[in-house]
Amino acid sequence: AQSVTQLGSHVSVSEGALVLLRCNYSSSVPPYLFWYVQYPNQGLQLLLKYTSAATLVKGINGFEAEFKKSETSFHLTKPSAHMSDAAEYFCAVRDNAGGTSYGKLTFGQGTILTVHP
Amino acid sequence: DGGITQSPKYLFRKEGQNVTLSCEQNLNHDAMYWYRQDPGQGLRLIYYSQIVNDFQKGDIAEGYSVSREKKESFPLTVTSAQKNPTAFYLCASKDRGGFTDTQYFGPGTRLTVL
Repeated sequence: AQSVTQLGSHVSVSEGALVLLRCNYSSSVPPYLFWYVQYPNQGLQLLLKYTSAATLVKGINGFEAEFKKSETSFHLTKPSAHMSDAAEYFCAVRDNAGGTSYGKLTFGQGTILTVHP
Repeated sequence: DGGITQSPKYLFRKEGQNVTLSCEQNLNHDAMYWYRQDPGQGLRLIYYSQIVNDFQKGDIAEGYSVSREKKESFPLTVTSAQKNPTAFYLCASKDRGGFTDTQYFGPGTRLTVL
């Protein structure tokens, strides 16, 4: 079974600083990986996804993530944080083993990003 | 505009009562999902449905029930058998076609047991 670990339940950065949110996954076969963002009392919005094409994936709002198979990681980065980036971020893995197609996702525990002025 | 709607946004329930959360989508998606979100635990899958009149248990189905009579609707009932129902509930949908298709989420319903 696949699993996702997000290192750090809370990350705090200053406005303009680098944002780095860590995600490590466990999967028996090459996974599909996703980053979602959630603002308070709202649903989840897709930031970006990796589906075995380019290992560096660019998403919305200036975010990007790099798939590193050797490290089983899919860390999310943004060069310069903005106040509007303050939210909770979730990494998720979809295991495509066995040909299933119902799209089950396994989520990490989430990382709350705080941006200080 | 296409999207997923959930109602109500806030719901209060007395212990021992069943309540039903609504989820409607006009994206023409085949697959629909219900997740439960608790602080620090991420999202956990309750039930999912790939097509009309079919649904499967997820990881934490006990105390919940669903129906899928129409493609656009996937209501979730939280029964009195659910011992700790206070949580944020999220509905999602996905086109059943390909592996790379994305799940799209509704705005959520926050359920509080009084």
